[in-house]
Amino acid sequence: AQKITQTQPGMFVQEKEAVTLDCTYDTSDPSYGLFWYKQPSSGEMIFLIYQGSYDQQNATEGRYSLNFQKARKSANLVISASQLGDSAMYFCAMREYQGGTALIFGKGTTLSVSS
Amino acid sequence: ETGVTQSPTHLIKTRGQQVTLRCSSQSGHNTVSWYQQALGQGPQFIFQYYREEENGRGNFPPRFSGLQFPNYSSELNVNALELDDSALYLCASSTTGVNANTGELFFGEGSRLTVL
Repeated sequence: AQKITQTQPGMFVQEKEAVTLDCTYDTSDPSYGLFWYKQPSSGEMIFLIYQGSYDQQNATEGRYSLNFQKARKSANLVISASQLGDSAMYFCAMREYQGGTALIFGKGTTLSVSS
Repeated sequence: ETGVTQSPTHLIKTRGQQVTLRCSSQSGHNTVSWYQQALGQGPQFIFQYYREEENGRGNFPPRFSGLQFPNYSSELNVNALELDDSALYLCASSTTGVNANTGELFFGEGSRLTVL
């Protein structure tokens, strides 16, 4: 079974609108972290936001927020006021702190922002 | 920019050859990990090095090997290249310090390998 599932291959949004990128995860480890990364065409993975499994509040970083619903095992990324520069691939990832050292990535969602 | 640099940025090899990819980690980071990203997929964990020792490995065969040097830079070696090894190889550095409890990784721009 996939540990990270991103069901949206592609999303389209207009400038200044908000967009939600979906991510569900599967783990039996009680201690884990969830990450979102942005990958522009240059290839570099850019860290956006982090949510720990014990964090009570949803994480926010500027225009990025993470809608963490632990019971549903979902960690959706919300981008407010989209900009043209937000066009990129977005990856959800998880680290299981008791299970190992790796980040486990989903297959990604391509976000296209138009003017 | 993350301060993680990789070389070469692009290279082409033929099946059966060997390749070495290099990575310089961000200043102050003592842990380096390598990921393989096939076209249209998310990155997959190859292995991680901490203090010059491999301390984690994904589901990759032994022909994928690595090194970490005293200055924390790293190499990824792939022997007997196969067509399916064509991918973007990403190096990431991290620290056991401030960000250790989050596991945040700082990635380089990758080395794009094409195997013909």
